[in-house]
Amino acid sequence: NAGVTQTPKFQVLKTGQSMTLQCAQDMNHNSMYWYRQDPGMGLRLIYYSASEGTTDKGEVPNGYNVSRLNKREFSLRLESAAPSQTSVYFCASSDADGYNEKLFFGSGTQLSVL
Amino acid sequence: AQTVTQSQPEMSVQEAETVTLSCTYDTSENNYYLFWYKQPPSRQMILVIRQEAYKQQNATENRFSVNFQKAAKSFSLKISDSQLGDTAMYFCAFMTTYNNDMRFGAGTRLTVKP
Repeated sequence: NAGVTQTPKFQVLKTGQSMTLQCAQDMNHNSMYWYRQDPGMGLRLIYYSASEGTTDKGEVPNGYNVSRLNKREFSLRLESAAPSQTSVYFCASSDADGYNEKLFFGSGTQLSVL
Repeated sequence: AQTVTQSQPEMSVQEAETVTLSCTYDTSENNYYLFWYKQPPSRQMILVIRQEAYKQQNATENRFSVNFQKAAKSFSLKISDSQLGDTAMYFCAFMTTYNNDMRFGAGTRLTVKP
């Protein structure tokens, strides 16, 4: 079982460059999420998608865009990377069935913006 | 907006002893879920334990148990018989039942000493 797969695992960008973080889950989950993790701040929600075709902003959406391509895939795009976006990014998914709520996480992407 | 506070940035415990990690949260909702996640040096986020707010009985998972005080909005994690493999960051998290927006505390770094 692959679970939640994120690519790439590491990335270095120059200020102003763009990139897309990819995420796919094979658990047939409805909901998917993107978080960023910074020292001393825990995980902060960037965007989430409650179901295919919908996306909503989280705590820190500025500078990011997302696409829920289909039920399996949820991508995060940085159009013009800034040093403040240096962070570890996690994708997650959940069944959101109202009975067994919990998040399954990918292994994270370490992004450095120089 | 819901907030989660972990007031202990770092803690340590001797192997085989018991340790309690604190978490408080702020919400006006009556129905919600609470979680403890563990993040070892591998960076993987691992669900430790989960509690539904409508259940009065405290959740337990082997050596891990919670003390859920709904009126006080407190959700502490007790680890009994601590093991070296318990060394990790521990995050408390909150999720409402009406959306899938999971919010995390800043984390507590736990070190188990031999």
